[in-house]
Amino acid sequence: ETGVTQTPRHLVMGMTNKKSLKCEQHLGHNAMYWYKQSAKKPLELMFVYSLEERVENNSVPSRFSPECPNSSHLFLHLHTLQPEDSALYLCASSFRRDRLNEKLFFGSGTQLSVL
Amino acid sequence: QQQVKQSPQSLIVQKGGISIINCAYENTAFDYFPWYQQFPGKGPALLIAIRPDVSEKKEGRFTISFNKSAKQFSLHIMDSQPGDSATYFCAATGANNLFFGTGTRLTVIP
Repeated sequence: ETGVTQTPRHLVMGMTNKKSLKCEQHLGHNAMYWYKQSAKKPLELMFVYSLEERVENNSVPSRFSPECPNSSHLFLHLHTLQPEDSALYLCASSFRRDRLNEKLFFGSGTQLSVL
Repeated sequence: QQQVKQSPQSLIVQKGGISIINCAYENTAFDYFPWYQQFPGKGPALLIAIRPDVSEKKEGRFTISFNKSAKQFSLHIMDSQPGDSATYFCAATGANNLFFGTGTRLTVIP
């Protein structure tokens, strides 16, 4: 295991549902990330939190709402999603003393299907 | 515009052979080039990385070759094993973001 745990592993939701993805890291890291992985496309950075402060938001639609209550936990709140949002959502963490985006530790992801 | 271009999309290699995956980038501000390995049902894991002040880095059977003038870098897997079958992603980062290639699915045939 990488020390980064994501739940749930699989999620099926309708377009009108509200759900949340959870990520927890046990590595003592203080930077956390959300990535979106779609088939045959590069991993897309969605959000970055460093010391619980959001430092990156890559033009992600407002139907995705991140929350970082402390340096060990990260959430992605989902509402009124579209079918094209179906993808694998990956959480990652790193040490802030390393430059952001270097030496990432990824969780196993949440496979999201929007019907 | 794709910041990092990766090829091939898929690769089949015999056990014991050499697997080679290539990547190219455009932004000369990139200064850290990692490779990630992803097995089915798992997230990517950092495999090996290089900075542009060296032309090659080797860790066990994995080697990164880096050509700064051509803005290209490649991953070589020597003595490829069935356990190496996975998807490999190259990436490049500068000050603010990490850009991934589209991935190469490697299959090593016993």
